[in-house]
Amino acid sequence: QKEVEQNSGPLSVPEGAIASLNCTYSDRGSQSFFWYRQYSGKSPELIMFIYSNGDKEDGRFTAQLNKASQYVSLLIRDSQPSDSATYLCEGFQKLVFGTGTRLLVSP
Amino acid sequence: KAGVTQTPRYLIKTRGQQVTLSCSPISGHRSVSWYQQTPGQGLQFLFEYFSETQRNKGNFPGRFSGRQFSNSRSEMNVSTLELGDSALYLCASRPPGQGYEQYFGPGTRLTVT
Repeated sequence: QKEVEQNSGPLSVPEGAIASLNCTYSDRGSQSFFWYRQYSGKSPELIMFIYSNGDKEDGRFTAQLNKASQYVSLLIRDSQPSDSATYLCEGFQKLVFGTGTRLLVSP
Repeated sequence: KAGVTQTPRYLIKTRGQQVTLSCSPISGHRSVSWYQQTPGQGLQFLFEYFSETQRNKGNFPGRFSGRQFSNSRSEMNVSTLELGDSALYLCASRPPGQGYEQYFGPGTRLTVT
């Protein structure tokens, strides 16, 4: 089992919908998680981080961490075609990334 | 503030050769990490340097090595190149103190023929 796992997708959502991206992890000691967005041909850029259980909101993005169930998710509200990219989840303590989920937002 | 820079951006090498890639972190950042990204394996951690010392290392063979200089610039070296080493090599730096987020450079696209 990989330490951080993501569904590779693609996840297809219509413009304006909520996109839900999920990441599960195996190390119960993991404390911090980061979400990065990577456009095709570009390098990853940080969009959200979360350290504690619960939700963290930043604009259209909400990160959720559930340590008991060992998953972290990213919700994108009012999805836009410009959100189409691959979203990578990182578990900080292990410096491990998931393989990423490709999101496609159709107009 | 200038971002993370990597040189060269593109490189074509032949099997058996060696290659050196360079990374200059954001000014003030002392932590530099290297990653290999391939379509099949995703982003895989190679190593992390902090103040000229290797702090963490991923599961890569000894052909992959790195170092960091006193000005925080870092280099990674791959010896005896194999076809499977073809990938995008990304460097990232972290700010000091409480911030743990990474800032990635544009990457070096290495093709081994």
